[in-house]
Amino acid sequence: NAGVTQTPKFRVLKTGQSMTLLCAQDMNHEYMYWYRQDPGMGLRLIHYSVGEGTTAKGEVPDGYNVSRLKKQNFLLGLESAAPSQTSVYFCASSYSWRDRGLFNEQFFGPGTRLTVL
Amino acid sequence: AQSVTQLDSHVSVSEGTPVLLRCNYSSSYSPSLFWYVQHPNKGLQLLLKYTSAATLVKGINGFEAEFKKSETSFHLTKPSAHMSDAAEYFCVVSAQAPGNEKLTFGTGTRLTIIP
Repeated sequence: NAGVTQTPKFRVLKTGQSMTLLCAQDMNHEYMYWYRQDPGMGLRLIHYSVGEGTTAKGEVPDGYNVSRLKKQNFLLGLESAAPSQTSVYFCASSYSWRDRGLFNEQFFGPGTRLTVL
Repeated sequence: AQSVTQLDSHVSVSEGTPVLLRCNYSSSYSPSLFWYVQHPNKGLQLLLKYTSAATLVKGINGFEAEFKKSETSFHLTKPSAHMSDAAEYFCVVSAQAPGNEKLTFGTGTRLTIIP
């Protein structure tokens, strides 16, 4: 099992450019998440999905869009990148509360380091 | 609502000495609590989790944590630090409210091991 994979690993954008980050998981998890990690702030939830075709806003959703067209994939889009979006982005996945309840840990990908100039 | 406070942003210990990373939490529901570790330029790896089965939880690499409800704490300990323990550690809380499975992360504690 590859677990959670993220593409690309690194990217440099100019202000105003767009890009899509791809997350894939092979654990048949129902839930998927996108986080950003900034120094001294821990991980903050951007968007999440509780199933194929569904998405919801997290703590810091502005400037991002997501799609979950297939259960195993979760895409994060930046339509017009800004320097404030320079960060490390992590994708995670987990079983649903219905399936695992108390044992609902999340599994993380290796991260994408994005720099916006 | 739920929140996590990691009381130290940076902890330094000598190799072979005990490690203590402190975490306090608040939650409107009985929480699930986790410790994750992040080595430099890597993703997050689960160290251990508390899910109400036992208050003393053992994890990987010799780490353990004790859930103390009266103190709303979930401190991470290890009897003897190893150089490979140098990393950032995150305390995480998850509310057990159905429909609210999101995790709330602490701001992290960077552990440095002195040779």
